[in-house]
Amino acid sequence: SQQGEEDPQALSIQEGENATMNCSYKTSINNLQWYRQNSGRGLVHLILIRSNEREKHSGRLRVTLDTSKKSSSLLITASRAADTASYFCATDGSGGSNYKLTFGKGTLLTVNP
Amino acid sequence: NAGVMQNPRHLVRRRGQEARLRCSPMKGHSHVYWYRQLPEEGLKFMVYLQKENIIDESGMPKERFSAEFPKEGPSILRIQQVVRGDSAAYFCASSPPGSDNQPQHFGDGTRLSIL
Repeated sequence: SQQGEEDPQALSIQEGENATMNCSYKTSINNLQWYRQNSGRGLVHLILIRSNEREKHSGRLRVTLDTSKKSSSLLITASRAADTASYFCATDGSGGSNYKLTFGKGTLLTVNP
Repeated sequence: NAGVMQNPRHLVRRRGQEARLRCSPMKGHSHVYWYRQLPEEGLKFMVYLQKENIIDESGMPKERFSAEFPKEGPSILRIQQVVRGDSAAYFCASSPPGSDNQPQHFGDGTRLSIL
């Protein structure tokens, strides 16, 4: 089974619209993180939400976590063309392997000007 | 305020050659992680190192791959006798000590192409 499955695989919206991406995972976690990756670049850390948190905000980003459903969502409000990138959720292993991040295949977001 | 630095950004090797990928963690970070990303895929964990110690190499292929993080200098991921299937982007991440290993800060990666 694979942790951190994002959906949709691709999302295309107009500038100013909101974008919602979802992530599901299978085993218990300590934290869940969202990263952004621009084409040809490394991953940029966006936000970390702990397993005992339900919602977190950072600027135009809103992340929710539902541990009972083993799912998370990332909402980007008032999107901009510069938000065009791939977005990945990453889960860590509970117990002693919390350093081992498991990534999904990502959601490719395209924001059209 | 330099981030995680990886070099080279691009590396081309012929089958059978050796590839050496370097990673300098962020200042103050003593934990280093290597991940591999195949096209259209997410990153896959390879190895976790602290200074002079390999903590977890469960994601490393059993043969041809090795990693080190010496007391002085960058972390090195070494791939011997490369094959076409080694073509991928290799990312290094680092985190400070005592941080519960999160968040991990990533470099821009080394894109390895095998001819």
